[in-house]
Amino acid sequence: KAGVTQTPRYLIKTRGQQVTLSCSPISGHRSVSWYQQTPGQGLQFLFEYFSETQRNKGNFPGRFSGRQFSNSRSEMNVSTLELGDSALYLCASSLGSGLEKTLQYFGAGTRLSVL
Amino acid sequence: AQSVTQPDIHITVSEGASLELRCNYSYGATPYLFWYVQSPGQGLQLLLKYFSGDTLVQGIKGFEAEFKRSQSSFNLRKPSVHWSDAAEYFCAVGDPNDMRFGAGTRLTVKP
Repeated sequence: KAGVTQTPRYLIKTRGQQVTLSCSPISGHRSVSWYQQTPGQGLQFLFEYFSETQRNKGNFPGRFSGRQFSNSRSEMNVSTLELGDSALYLCASSLGSGLEKTLQYFGAGTRLSVL
Repeated sequence: AQSVTQPDIHITVSEGASLELRCNYSYGATPYLFWYVQSPGQGLQLLLKYFSGDTLVQGIKGFEAEFKRSQSSFNLRKPSVHWSDAAEYFCAVGDPNDMRFGAGTRLTVKP
């Protein structure tokens, strides 16, 4: 069974631009969560999607948004990029319900650099 | 609010030596507990999890962890460290609606 796939692996953008990251979950997984990882703040939860609906949201500004498609694939968008958005963005998938929701499997991440 | 503390930012051990990484949590009920490992530039790989039952949990790569409710701890152990274990280790605590990760402990393995 294929793991969680994130594309692209690396991105370089300039301030003010926008970016879209993609995540394909493990087959059969309906929940996709997004995290931002930086040396200073560690792993911070962005949001979680389940069955095309945002189910949970972390404490990030509205510039960060996401969506989930009917095949459970998810995209995350960041608009008006700031230097502080430079980070490793991790996607995690899970079955999405009950106890299994806590069992998350992570992708390799997308490294975003904002210049 | 639930939280996770990993008191050690960086630990160095010699290859073949034993390892213990500390994790303390704050949670109102019995938590679900996890240890993940992250190699440079990679995502997180699940090492082991505790949901309920036996408080000593076995994981992959020879790791184990012990849940101690009285100490609010979930320390990760390995009897003999290999050079390939050098990585960053994250403890996490959660329930189906909220997952929190510790700040991580970076493990260096000396030859």
